[in-house]
This record gives sequence, C-alpha cells and structure tokens, in this order.
Amino acid sequence: GESVGLHLPTLSVQEGDNSIINCAYSNSASDYFIWYKQESGKGPQFIIDIRSNMDKRQGQRVTVLLNKTVKHLSLQIAATQPGDSAVYFCAENMGADKLIFGTGTRLQVFP
Amino acid sequence: GAGVSQTPSNKVTEKGKYVELRCDPISGHTALYWYRQSLGQGPEFLIYFQGTGAADDSGLPNDRFFAVRPEGSVSTLKIQRTERGDSAVYLCASSQGLAGEETQYFGPGTRLLVL
Repeated sequence: GESVGLHLPTLSVQEGDNSIINCAYSNSASDYFIWYKQESGKGPQFIIDIRSNMDKRQGQRVTVLLNKTVKHLSLQIAATQPGDSAVYFCAENMGADKLIFGTGTRLQVFP
Repeated sequence: GAGVSQTPSNKVTEKGKYVELRCDPISGHTALYWYRQSLGQGPEFLIYFQGTGAADDSGLPNDRFFAVRPEGSVSTLKIQRTERGDSAVYLCASSQGLAGEETQYFGPGTRLLVL
C-alpha cells in the first residue's frame, strides 16, 4: 500500500517512553498552528492546535509548545503507544485560509 | 456521515484523459479546501471555497485544474489532459469557516495514478 513519508526524518521510541517531535514554521505572521497525524493510506487526522497568543496547550497525552521567538513548534506525546506510529505534520495558518504544512516526521514505536 | 468523504478512493487513468474527483464535506461546514500530497511530502494547498465561491485558487498549478462547488456543499476537482506528474493523493478538507473555528478536517483522499 501507499507509504507516506518515504524519506522523512524518523524518530524511533520505545513503547511507554515520551516522544518529542519538532517543527520550524516559516511565517512570523501565522496566528494558528495545528499538529496532524497521518497513517499510511489515510488522510491527516487533527491532533491538537494552538493560537499565537499561547505558548503551551495540553490535550490527552499530547502537549504542544510554541516558541514564537524562534518560530518553533513541538509536539510531546506522553507514554507513546504502538498506535501512535504514523507521520506527524505541523501546519500553520494565517487566517481561515490555506494551511502550510511543514516537513513531516515519521514516528516509529517499538515494543 | 460524520466526516469528510471522497470518491473515488483510487483512480487510474491514462495520460491525456479527463478526471473528476469528488468531496463531500462535513455537514454544515461552509469552508472547503483541496490539497495535493506527493509521496514523501506534506499536503500542498490547491484551492479554498467559502460557500459556493473560490476564495483562493492560488495553489492550482495550471489551467488544466479546475474546481467547483455549485451548491456550497459537495465539491468536484477536475483535471483536464492529465499528465504523469499529476499522480498524487488529492485531499479534501472542510472547516466551519469562522474565525476561531478554523480547524480543517481531512478526508481519506483520492489516490490518482496517471499512466
């Protein structure tokens, strides 16, 4: 079947460990940021978002950190599970308009 | 259905042929987006509809690509005279289209292969 992200950076973690996926965004005017998870053969799935007036937001097992000074975004996944294995993309939005996606990261979780 | 749906899931065509790809957004979502994803890359924006009108079509690569959304719900992406380089996954997303409600939810995509 289709393989998303053949040549993407890869993060390998052991089940139960925490994962940190990083992303650099391009436009200092972007005011809304989103993390998506994409499994092979599927469309991107929304995980968590954050607005530019925040620097941290927490969800279930996930935390997004935003550093506007260096235009950096990170996704932290606590107690990583095999089902977390996928390609993760950050995306930036400058309004109710197009998303600009970053380079994805493949997360591989080993038992 | 609860999510964005796209048909067909797979499409194989020959170079030079015409194809149509369909997207059914989440009910009530006024904003609809088309993206294209090549192997190993993130999705790239093609076109955005707010209601029936194309609010931003700056991502369409050339005039062989066209999209419509005549009743503000279902959208069709049309590709004329397909080329091998058009082979990709075509993704559709929808959102409520309101400030503060910009989250885009994606469909499963249509995998287009041009031989």
